[in-house]
Formats: sequence, C-alpha cells, structure tokens
Amino acid sequence: DGGITQSPKYLFRKEGQNVTLSCEQNLNHDAMYWYRQDPGQGLRLIYYSQIVNDFQKGDIAEGYSVSREKKESFPLTVTSAQKNPTAFYLCATSIYRGHSPLHFGNGTRLTVT
Amino acid sequence: AQTVTQSQPEMSVQEAETVTLSCTYDTSESDYYLFWYKQPPSRQMILVIRQEAYKQQNATENRFSVNFQKAAKSFSLKISDSQLGDAAMYFCAYRSAKSGNTPLVFGKGTRLSVIA
Repeated sequence: DGGITQSPKYLFRKEGQNVTLSCEQNLNHDAMYWYRQDPGQGLRLIYYSQIVNDFQKGDIAEGYSVSREKKESFPLTVTSAQKNPTAFYLCATSIYRGHSPLHFGNGTRLTVT
Repeated sequence: AQTVTQSQPEMSVQEAETVTLSCTYDTSESDYYLFWYKQPPSRQMILVIRQEAYKQQNATENRFSVNFQKAAKSFSLKISDSQLGDAAMYFCAYRSAKSGNTPLVFGKGTRLSVIA
C-alpha cells in the first residue's frame, strides 16, 4: 500500500533538545518537502529535496536541518537554535511533473516546553 | 518571489448552498500551476482541484469548480451543493513551471464552516 509515513504523530521535547521527525515514502517519488503549519500562517516551506544527496533551503530553514541519503527517507531535525519549534509539521512528496500535486503525510505535532 | 493571498480567513455556508473562496497570486511567470487543497479536522491535506495556467478552460471536479482569471491573477474555488463534510480549511497554492519539482507556495487558508 503506497503512501507517506510520518512518525510519531505527537512528539514532546524539552527546550534545548534536538529532535528528529521521520518521513518515509514508498511512492517512488523523486522530490520530498517539509512544511511547517502554524495557526493563521498557512504552510511555510522549511526544506526540500529534488534528488538523493541534494536539498535546498526554504523560506524558514533557520534552526532546522535535513538529510536525503535514500530516496525513500527525508528526516527533519529541529535543533535547539529554532526559537519557536512548537508547530505541526507536514512532509510531502511529488513526482517529476509540474502539474502533479504534492502528496502529504499525516503530519507530526511537535510540542516543546 | 511568488505570493498567494487568501483574503477571507473564515467563511460560512448553508448546507446545499453555493460558496466561493477567493485566491489571488502574484507572479511574473507566464507558465505555472494552481491548486486548491482541503484540510479537514483530521489535518490530512487533500487535493481538491488543479489548474494549468496555459489552459483557458476552468477545471471542474464534481461539485468543485474554479474561476481562473489569468490576467487578474485570480483563482477562486466554487463549492456547489455544500455538504457538512466540506467543512475544513482550504488552501490555495501556486507552483512554478520552471522545473518539475518546485515547491508549492501556499496561502494562509480560509476556514469554511457548513451550517446544517
């Protein structure tokens, strides 16, 4: 069954700790994306990767890091440098065709206290 | 950089009635794609409809249709015969056609309530 898996659904961390959000896909899509969603802010792009071993910063990359060692996986690390990390994080994928939509995972709600 | 504006943070509609959600965008490009996504309380992002800028014909998917005005850079979503299940956040999104995998740029969303 093809899809995008984000885990865990809820994540709690203490301030000052790094945390890694998982995103795995078996759709064989080339590109993967991380978006952050805050109330009233829509979806804002953190990082994206069009091919393995390559990624680009989005609009709000500060305090985040990513890797793309495998086509199937695009983990996002929220570092202690991210000033306001509590948010809903969405991972998405797409195939190499512009009119193709993004396919989204179910998201991870991160709470940092 | 492209921007997407949804000027209606919240809207409501009576069940079985029609509602139109507004979206405008700013771009200097001539070739691009536009999308509407729905996010119900489950927070799963669901594609509603998409439009290629080079197509003059407005896209339609069952009860959902768009009014694409390229010169005005407007891309509104019309929901006909509204149902309780249509209650959700709706996001308008823009994608450049420069390469195949450019990210989508999203608006801030419109929260739609459906009144029984």
